[in-house]
Amino acid sequence: AQSVTQPDIHITVSEGASLELRCNYSYGATPYLFWYVQSPGQGLQLLLKYFSGDTLVQGIKGFEAEFKRSQSSFNLRKPSVHWSDAAEYFCAVGARSSASKIIFGSGTRLSIRP
Amino acid sequence: DAMVIQNPRYQVTQFGKPVTLSCSQTLNHNVMYWYQQKSSQAPKLLFHYYDKDFNNEADTPDNFQSRRPNTSFCFLDIRSPGLGDAAMYLCATSDGTNGYTFGSGTRLTVV
Repeated sequence: AQSVTQPDIHITVSEGASLELRCNYSYGATPYLFWYVQSPGQGLQLLLKYFSGDTLVQGIKGFEAEFKRSQSSFNLRKPSVHWSDAAEYFCAVGARSSASKIIFGSGTRLSIRP
Repeated sequence: DAMVIQNPRYQVTQFGKPVTLSCSQTLNHNVMYWYQQKSSQAPKLLFHYYDKDFNNEADTPDNFQSRRPNTSFCFLDIRSPGLGDAAMYLCATSDGTNGYTFGSGTRLTVV
């Protein structure tokens, strides 16, 4: 069965510190992988996606993620967080078809310590 | 510049009174999705349209219906809202190659 696991429900980091949000997936084939960010009361914004090729993908707002097939992971990283990065982050996996359904992880809430 | 627009942003409805949420897109994507997101939870897919083909998730209650009159518009109808239907409803579109584009959502309150 397809699933996405985000083991950290809530993370607090200091402003300027580095960040890593974990994501593990279970999928029958090579999936599409996504990270979305959601600010309170807002929709979801795509940070980055992995389809194929280079396993280190760059996204918006200084985020990057690395696809590790051997570990079934797609962790999100940022070298230095800003107070505006406080939000909910969702990892998601989808199939490589035009009518695919994306499965979301349960999310990780990021708080920033001043 | 908005590409997926949901109206209204906030909707208050009475228990049992039918309500319709709307979504429009300027991306000309052939797939449109409706998700329900309850507080502190991941979005849950209700159904999606691939062009005019409607695909309902097995666990979507019959209380939820959808219409897609053309490529640009998609509606979510809740026939008899209950207190448990209070949530954020998210519309998303996809062309199958670049992930989803989400609207800002409609927060539904049932009183």
